Amino acid sequence: GAVVSQHPSRVICKSGTSVKIECRSLDFQATTMFWYRQFPKQSLMLMATSNEGSKATYEQGVEKDKFLINHASLTLSTLTVTSAHPEDSSFYICSASRLARETQYFGPGTRLLVL
Amino acid sequence: KNEVEQSPQNLTAQEGEFITINCSYSVGISALHWLQQHPGGGIVSLFMLSSGKKKHGRLIATINIQEKHSSLHITASHPRDSAVYICAVRNPSGGSNYKLTFGKGTLLTVNP
Repeated sequence: GAVVSQHPSRVICKSGTSVKIECRSLDFQATTMFWYRQFPKQSLMLMATSNEGSKATYEQGVEKDKFLINHASLTLSTLTVTSAHPEDSSFYICSASRLARETQYFGPGTRLLVL
Repeated sequence: KNEVEQSPQNLTAQEGEFITINCSYSVGISALHWLQQHPGGGIVSLFMLSSGKKKHGRLIATINIQEKHSSLHITASHPRDSAVYICAVRNPSGGSNYKLTFGKGTLLTVNP
């Protein structure tokens, strides 16, 4: 149990376009989902925390107008990178937990390349 | 902000060896995670613990709250154990958000 999926697994887009990444909890209801970004050979960095039905909480330095997060249901959260630039190229990982204080289950990640 | 230090950064072992990866953190936590990240990037949660010791197959995780230190042990290591092992600590930050602070990871390579 506790499987989290992400789609797509990798995406290449042109600079200036928007990209949507989906994170789904397949066999449990996730009240909280987390979005992380990982640059090569670096640690995961938390971008934002989303709770179902409410606005996401963004970490300092993360532009909320650029990285739009929607957690409309207990099994789906989306991250939209708007007007993507080459510096947004990274590995984006989501995690989900039934309750915020419980174990986070990680998705397989989405590799984004912006040309 | 919690600082999480892992050691070693890189570890190469021969198949069958006993492996230990260490994690130290600077301030109190509510829980500590050990994660495994394979070359493709996907992350698997191995353990979440707040005290004592947990065992799953050939993996053992221990934590000493007073010393702010945790270890991950792998017995009878195998080449398929080759991955990056990441320590992450959870700081209760109030409200309903429980954030993780991650170590930089330990790259383990097990040679046949």
